[in-house]
Amino acid sequence: KAGVTQTPRYLIKTRGQQVTLSCSPISGHRSVSWYQQTPGQGLQFLFEYFSETQRNKGNFPGRFSGRQFSNSRSEMNVSTLELGDSALYLCASSPSLGHREKLFFGSGTQLSVL
Amino acid sequence: GQNIDQPTEMTATEGAIVQINCTYQTSGFNGLFWYQQHAGEAPTFLSYNVLDGLEEKGRFSSFLSRSKGYSYLLLKELQMKDSASYLCAVRGGGGNKLTFGTGTQLKVEL
Repeated sequence: KAGVTQTPRYLIKTRGQQVTLSCSPISGHRSVSWYQQTPGQGLQFLFEYFSETQRNKGNFPGRFSGRQFSNSRSEMNVSTLELGDSALYLCASSPSLGHREKLFFGSGTQLSVL
Repeated sequence: GQNIDQPTEMTATEGAIVQINCTYQTSGFNGLFWYQQHAGEAPTFLSYNVLDGLEEKGRFSSFLSRSKGYSYLLLKELQMKDSASYLCAVRGGGGNKLTFGTGTQLKVEL
């Protein structure tokens, strides 16, 4: 079974631009979560989607948005990029929203904002 | 909200035992996870605790005390490949989110 696939692997943008990151979950997984990882802050929760609905949202500004499609694939978008948005963006999938469900992470998209 | 604390760095010797602690504060606790993350790689699941006590899985064990808001990950017979960041994560709070600590960077030396 293929793992969680994130594209692109690396991305370089300039301030003010926008970016869209893509995540394909493990086949059969219906829940997708997004995290931002930086050296100082660790993994910060962005959002969680299940069945095309956003179930949870972290404490990020409205410039960060996401969506999930009917095939469970997910995208996140960051508009009006700032230098502080430079980070590794990780996507994770799980079969459902159960408490015990462990997350399976993708390798991430490394975003650099210049 | 949720608050999770774990040491930033630890160093241990190959073949030894190391204990990585994690303390947390949350409402509506629904479980604690440990993940391992090697540099440049994705985090991978190690263990899950929801009831008090010790869960053993090979060289790795994880302990939970819900009344104390405390967990530890115990790594035995350390190997060089165990050098990695170990992430404590708690599910709970509003929306039952999975919140991660900042991770403990473990360095295993000869």
